[in-house]
Amino acid sequence: KQEVTQIPAALSVPEGENLVLNCSFTDSAIYNLQWFRQDPGKGLTSLLLIQSSQREQTSGRLNASLDKSSGRSTLYIAASQPGDSATYLCAVGLHQTGANNLFFGTGTRLTVIP
Amino acid sequence: ETGVTQTPRHLVMGMTNKKSLKCEQHLGHNAMYWYKQSAKKPLELMFVYNFKEQTENNSVPSRFSPECPNSSHLFLHLHTLQPEDSALYLCASSQGTSGSDTQYFGPGTRLTVL
Repeated sequence: KQEVTQIPAALSVPEGENLVLNCSFTDSAIYNLQWFRQDPGKGLTSLLLIQSSQREQTSGRLNASLDKSSGRSTLYIAASQPGDSATYLCAVGLHQTGANNLFFGTGTRLTVIP
Repeated sequence: ETGVTQTPRHLVMGMTNKKSLKCEQHLGHNAMYWYKQSAKKPLELMFVYNFKEQTENNSVPSRFSPECPNSSHLFLHLHTLQPEDSALYLCASSQGTSGSDTQYFGPGTRLTVL
């Protein structure tokens, strides 16, 4: 069974700092990997989706990389802002169980201090 | 109203009650999902519907009964639940079920079983 791990579980940084969130997965036969953010009391918002054939995706201040062979992904946030405070979730879709059957990590709770 | 909506947002029920959660998507999508998010655990996929047909049942106990009358609406009928079923129940939708279809989430229903 696919296991997805996110480290650290929580992170506090001062505003303006660049930061990296980590995600690792045990089964490298993934179809895709996605990063979501979840704000308190709200649902998930998709940030970036990386297909298994891709190495990275960028959206604004966010950059996600994927290394399938090592079972790792990173989410890089540049020039962090207080509005970036949220829980960030990593999820993978597998060929075996269906690309849309996502396996999630437990998330990294990010606090950006003004 | 846009996006994915869920009602009610909060629900408290006894173990012998019967209740239903409702999800509606206004995005013209064909696939809908139910997820369960328990404290300190990863998000777990429960059910997937594609064009109103159930395509995934992730070994969910029969006390949870999904219903998808059309591509825009999804229900989760609850009966004789256990306290450990207390969680945030999230609904999501996507255009299709391929690995390139981003899932859009609703705000969730916070369920407490007494």
